[in-house]
Amino acid sequence: GNSVTQMEGPVTLSEEAFLTINCTYTATGYPSLFWYVQYPGEGLQLLLKATKADDKGSNKGFEATYRKETTSFHLEKGSVQVSDSAVYFCALSDQGGNTPLVFGKGTRLSVIA
Amino acid sequence: KAGVTQTPRYLIKTRGQQVTLSCSPISGHRSVSWYQQTPGQGLQFLFEYFSETQRNKGNFPGRFSGRQFSNSRSEMNVSTLELGDSALYLCASSQDSNSLYNEQFFGPGTRLTVL
Repeated sequence: GNSVTQMEGPVTLSEEAFLTINCTYTATGYPSLFWYVQYPGEGLQLLLKATKADDKGSNKGFEATYRKETTSFHLEKGSVQVSDSAVYFCALSDQGGNTPLVFGKGTRLSVIA
Repeated sequence: KAGVTQTPRYLIKTRGQQVTLSCSPISGHRSVSWYQQTPGQGLQFLFEYFSETQRNKGNFPGRFSGRQFSNSRSEMNVSTLELGDSALYLCASSQDSNSLYNEQFFGPGTRLTVL
């Protein structure tokens, strides 16, 4: 079955540091890939997505590129802020528009001023 | 537009009891999905409803059930609660258009504690 593996946290960075959270997936066909963010006490928010190979999703300074050859979708940000502290989830869904999301375990990021 | 709302936000029950959680999707959204979030298992898909019919189902025991009403609001029920059912239950709604992917919008969740 489909699965997502992301780096275990927690990750602690100083403000303005470079962020990378690794994510790899196993899936048949050509899934859509996502990064979701969960702030304390809240639900999940879609951060960015990519629906085909070589697509780059970007939002709020975060980027991730769909790499089919390495089955990866690593999340990056050039300069993190304290407000980026949250839990980040990598996820995939099969093509088809209405298939369930399969999530990684989540990576907790703490940014220190 | 109002977001996805879930009630109640917090719930404490004892083993053996049953519980009903409610989810109101974003206006115009016809698909509602439920996920369970626990520290050990992470986020796992429970089921999805569309037009009052269950369209997808995850790998959970029959104690977990749900339904959807004609106004797209959805409820999930857990019977004979076990300690391991303690979790954050998240509801997500989507428009269900004919696009390749329908973005799912999540509610804040219901935190269920089973004692």
